[in-house]
Amino acid sequence: AQTVTQSQPEMSVQEAETVTLSCTYDTSENNYYLFWYKQPPSRQMILVIRQEAYKQQNATENRFSVNFQKAAKSFSLKISDSQLGDTAMYFCAIYNFNKFYFGSGTKLNVKP
Amino acid sequence: DSGVTQTPKHLITATGQRVTLRCSPRSGDLSVYWYQQSLDQGLQFLIQYYNGEERAKGNILERFSAQQFPDLHSELNLSSLELGDSALYFCASSLPRGLANTGELFFGEGSRLTVL
Repeated sequence: AQTVTQSQPEMSVQEAETVTLSCTYDTSENNYYLFWYKQPPSRQMILVIRQEAYKQQNATENRFSVNFQKAAKSFSLKISDSQLGDTAMYFCAIYNFNKFYFGSGTKLNVKP
Repeated sequence: DSGVTQTPKHLITATGQRVTLRCSPRSGDLSVYWYQQSLDQGLQFLIQYYNGEERAKGNILERFSAQQFPDLHSELNLSSLELGDSALYFCASSLPRGLANTGELFFGEGSRLTVL
C-alpha cells in the first residue's frame, strides 16, 4: 500500500516570506509521480506542481519549487515570496498504476 | 477551466432522500475518480472507473453507488441520505486515450450536497 503523510496540519507565514510544506510518502514502486495540489477557500482543486520520480532535477513553477529526495521518500514544497492568494489547503499526492493517494493536507495562512 | 464538468453545483435535500451527481470528464479521459470532502477535512477516495469498468474502491458506503457509461460520463448515486453525508463531492478525470499519461488528476468544481 502507498501512503502519504503531511505532518503539519496548519502553518502560517508572513507575506513576502518563504515557507516549506513537508510531505513524506511510502511506496515500493520505482516509477511514480508526485503532486502538490492547492485548494483555496473557493474549494477548487488546483495543480501546483508535478514531479516524475525518474527525474532527479527538482520541479519548479514560478514561486513554487520542490525538494524531492527519492531515497528518503520526501517531497517538500517551497513557496517563495508568499502572497495572500497562496492562503489555501495544500495536498501532497502520489500516483502510479492509475491510483492516487492524497495526504491529509496542510492549511497555509499567509498573513499581511 | 479543468474541462471536467459536475452537476449540480449545489444540492439541498432531506434525510432519507436519494440524489444523483453527474460528472463529465475531460474530453478523451478514460478514468474517473470520485472523492468526498467534508468541511475542513481531506479528500476521501470513494471509487474509480476506467473505460466503463470499476477499477478501485475506497471508503464508499453501501448506500452509495456509481457507474461510468459508454460515453465515459459518470454518475454517483447517494441514497438513504443522512446528515453526515453533507459534503463536497469531487469528480476528477485522467488518462487520456492515445496520449502520454502525465499522471495528473483534473478536478471538477465539485457538487456541494447539504442534507437537512
